[in-house]
Order: sequence, then structure tokens, then C-alpha cells
Amino acid sequence: QITLKESGPTLVKPTQTLTLTCTFSGFSLTTSGVGVGWIRQPPGKALEWLALIYWDGDKRYSPSLKSRLAIAKDTSKNQVVLTLINMDPVDTATYYCAHGDRGVAANWGQGTLVTVSS
Amino acid sequence: EVVLTQSPGTLSLSPGERATLSCRASQSVNSNFLAWYQQKPGQAPRLLVSGASSRATGIPGRFSGSGSGTDFTLTISRLEPEDFAVYYCQQYGSPPYAFGQGTKLEIK
Repeated sequence: QITLKESGPTLVKPTQTLTLTCTFSGFSLTTSGVGVGWIRQPPGKALEWLALIYWDGDKRYSPSLKSRLAIAKDTSKNQVVLTLINMDPVDTATYYCAHGDRGVAANWGQGTLVTVSS
Repeated sequence: EVVLTQSPGTLSLSPGERATLSCRASQSVNSNFLAWYQQKPGQAPRLLVSGASSRATGIPGRFSGSGSGTDFTLTISRLEPEDFAVYYCQQYGSPPYAFGQGTKLEIK
């Protein structure tokens, strides 16, 4: 059974850096083709794809957020970490991590709501 | 960068009816790497279809995906009460792997 769970702060202040961790089980991020990505959803709005890291370390980012985003993996801990710098109230959203093959999000975490407010 | 446009924005139908949801890409989707997701309030999205037409594990047969190139369709043959939700398409043929803006399927 594949499971993913997001963890991190629920409240951050403007200009701060957000660090979210996705802890997963049921698959290996060393298996060819596998990737773990991050998607967010502002309240009442659509899904927004953020970033993805593949089994071989290849990384992909949303062009509109690339200068603020970083994604990394720790295969020994079965974790993927997303960092978003210079947080703004418009970054308030539920952040999801998801696992899949070749970029499709086949399995999702439950999501974590992050609010940006002073 | 591939941009996906979903239509209609809202679809009002009754249980038992057939639903047809559209997803149009601004350029051809590589290898027809197009997925559909269903999202219910307060829940994470769930994968329905990948590769434009392959149902994910456990997805009922009333859900079917079709299309190629720039035009894709998700069809729900006979709506069940639990099918009323928001549906998103996503292309994963070339990064960034963007989503469409969603179609809300509501009970008429």
C-alpha cells in the first residue's frame, strides 16, 4: 500500500521560507520512472503544479515559481522536501505531495493547509 | 509550455445522464500523456485516467477517457450520485506538468 503524508508549518509570516516534508511508504524513489511531486490549491481555486523530482535526481519546476522553489529527496528516509522562499499571502494554499510514474500523480497525500499571514 | 483549457466550467446534469467533459491543449500533448482527476470537497484529488484512455486501478467502467493531440474528453456514461465533483485534466508529456482550471459537475 502506497501512502504519502505532508508535514510542516501551518502558519508562516510574509517573507519567511516554507519547508514542507513529504514522507512516503510503499514504494522506492530509486525505482526507474518513479517521481514525487508537489501540487498546491488555494482555497476555492484550481490545482497548481509546482515541482517534481525523479528517481534519478532530475528536477522539474513551475516556470512562474522556479526562482523561489527547491525540491530535494532523501531516499534513506523516504522523504521529499519542498522549499519555497519569500512567502506571500497569495501562497496560502493546501499543499499536496503525490507519487507516480512519468509525472502522473497516481497517489496523493492528504494535503496540508499553509496560511501566510503576519 | 502547454496550457490546458477545460470546458464547460460548470456542468449541471441529473443522475443517470451522460457527462462529457472537454480538455483542450494549446499544443500537442507528447505521447498523449494526459490524465484526469476527480476531487470531492475536502479531499485530495484521485487519479481516474492516465495516458488519455487508461483507467486507473479501481476506477469504475462508467469512466472513460479519449482523444489525442490537443483534444481530450472524459466521459461518464451514467452518472451516479457520488460522481458529482470537480474534474481536472493534467498533461505530463512535457514539463511543466500543468493542470486545467477544472470542470465542476453539479446535480441539476
